[in-house]
Amino acid sequence: EPEVTQTPSHQVTQMGQEVILRCVPISNHLYFYWYRQILGQKVEFLVSFYNNEISEKSEIFDDQFSVERPDGSNFTLKIRSTKLEDSAMYFCASSEAGDNSPLHFGNGTRLTVT
Amino acid sequence: AQSVTQLGSHVSVSEGALVLLRCNYSSSVPPYLFWYVQYPNQGLQLLLKYTSAATLVKGINGFEAEFKKSETSFHLTKPSAHMSDAAEYFCAVSDPQGAQKLVFGQGTRLTINP
Repeated sequence: EPEVTQTPSHQVTQMGQEVILRCVPISNHLYFYWYRQILGQKVEFLVSFYNNEISEKSEIFDDQFSVERPDGSNFTLKIRSTKLEDSAMYFCASSEAGDNSPLHFGNGTRLTVT
Repeated sequence: AQSVTQLGSHVSVSEGALVLLRCNYSSSVPPYLFWYVQYPNQGLQLLLKYTSAATLVKGINGFEAEFKKSETSFHLTKPSAHMSDAAEYFCAVSDPQGAQKLVFGQGTRLTINP
């Protein structure tokens, strides 16, 4: 069964550094998402992306965050200047369509900011 | 605004016993409802979803959930627990008009005792 793949599985970075989290969505999917889960807290929506633009974003997704689909297969989340509170598990997801099509999640990237 | 409350951050049952994981939602519009499971070091996997068709929804691995509008609930059940069911379970709600922006509950960790 096709999977959403995320790399790396664990990223450690220093405060103030830029990080790029990478995702390869399922190939025929059109909608892409990033969610995050701070340790001990709920999984939170960050952003959805369709047709090469952001379709919706949460208040968490401020100017420090950006997403990009640089080619036909990758979907990236960039954090420009990381803060300690950005430490979390980041999940990428994709879906065929934007209605009730199920989201397929990757295994996540654990980001640790020191 | 939508929200989800999962009663019990940790549920423990014996192998072969009934599994009941509780989920209550709040939504200003008829919602879509989902249950996801997360096994250790893996991503979120869709167990089942409710999208305004049958109120009793059957999912994978023998799980099912019943949508009860009068109780604003979507509890997850399985008649007989198996050791492999040990995982974290997340209930989520989305606005049918909202292009898959899921709002998650805080999760329930299910432990199976031999």
